Amino acid sequence: GENVEQHPSTLSVQEGDSAVIKCTYSDSASNYFPWYKQELGKGPQLIIDIRSNVGEKKDQRIAVTLNKTAKHFSLHITETQPEDSAVYFCAASIGGNQFYFGTGTSLTVIP
Amino acid sequence: DTAVSQTPKYLVTQMGNDKSIKCEQNLGHDTMYWYKQDSKKFLKIMFSYNNKELIINETVPNRFSPKSPDKAHLNLHINSLELGDSAVYFCASSRRGPETQYFGPGTRLLVL
Repeated sequence: GENVEQHPSTLSVQEGDSAVIKCTYSDSASNYFPWYKQELGKGPQLIIDIRSNVGEKKDQRIAVTLNKTAKHFSLHITETQPEDSAVYFCAASIGGNQFYFGTGTSLTVIP
Repeated sequence: DTAVSQTPKYLVTQMGNDKSIKCEQNLGHDTMYWYKQDSKKFLKIMFSYNNKELIINETVPNRFSPKSPDKAHLNLHINSLELGDSAVYFCASSRRGPETQYFGPGTRLLVL
């Protein structure tokens, strides 16, 4: 099955700086890559996603890039704010309803 | 107007007991899921149902039995609870995939 690796496991940045989280996947058939944000005591919430026919997608301060050849995708958060502090998960799906999640990145934005 | 709701939010119980967690979604989705999140925050799918039909059943002990009375509900029943079952259990729903999953707030299960 699919194997998704996520790095780093923890990340601290100063407010206003950028944060980058990287994921790699093993199955070249994967075609859907969502990113979720999980705040303390809550369920994960989708923040952005990308499909395999697109190389980059942006939504305000958040962007995701996909390199199908290298089988990796990254989350970029610019101008970080304290409310961006949370655990972020990447995921990959080869279709249907099976999702494989990364191990999570705990992001801390220092005011 | 909660999209995916779970009850209870907290569940503390003794080893060997049987317990159930309920999940309901009002998004009109066909697909529902159960995930287990361990103490290291790792999210692992347990079950997935499409329109009341089981389509994913990961390597989960048969003490765990999902039940879907209709496509808006997916309940999780756990028999003979063990210490290792302590975790946060999330219910989620989506349209037929791969599509965005909407997660519930989680049920924090502690087995003593």
